[in-house]
Amino acid sequence: DTGVSQDPRHKITKRGQNVTFRCDPISEHNRLYWYRQTLGQGPEFLTYFQNEAQLEKSRLLSDRFSAERPKGSFSTLEIQRTEQGDSAMYLCASSEGFNEQFFGPGTRLTVL
Amino acid sequence: AQKVTQAQTEISVVEKEDVTLDCVYETRDTTYYLFWYKQPPSGELVFLIRRNSFDEQNEISGRYSWNFQKSTSSFNFTITASQVVDSAVYFCALSETEDSSYKLIFGSGTRLLVRP
Repeated sequence: DTGVSQDPRHKITKRGQNVTFRCDPISEHNRLYWYRQTLGQGPEFLTYFQNEAQLEKSRLLSDRFSAERPKGSFSTLEIQRTEQGDSAMYLCASSEGFNEQFFGPGTRLTVL
Repeated sequence: AQKVTQAQTEISVVEKEDVTLDCVYETRDTTYYLFWYKQPPSGELVFLIRRNSFDEQNEISGRYSWNFQKSTSSFNFTITASQVVDSAVYFCALSETEDSSYKLIFGSGTRLLVRP
């Protein structure tokens, strides 16, 4: 089964450090989404790509966050100068067009 | 503005009981999609169903059923004869077609605990 995969599953970092997460979508899916989920809340949209183009960014995505999807395949989400408020689960999802989105297992980030 | 409300924060039932999870949504869009996802303790969101706003037929899949009522902007989810494995957090979500991203707007989730 080639579902959505994310790496790493857990990341602990110190405040001020940079971190990078990777998402590998389902291979035939042209859309890739990033969401953030904090404890007790539903996921919130961060950004999405159609193929390699980043088409929308949420206001939640401060200038310390950057996402890429080179060649329209995997995607990376980088957070620079992490803050304790960045601690959350970062979820990646992919879809074929506007069909249902399938989620990966998430990367849990803890900023100390 | 678009919004999804899941008023039930947590529900606890005994195995084999039926349970209904409520979802109320707000949107100005005339065409939209509604979803339910399950998030077990492992953390991965599992897709359960997607409904188009033009299709108000109720759906049944095994022990799961969904009741979509446009008049009350509700999309409720019923589990019949609940099992311990149904214990999870369930999220209702909305996607608007006027928004070309089709991003999902989630409710805050309902935690379901099924006790043996």
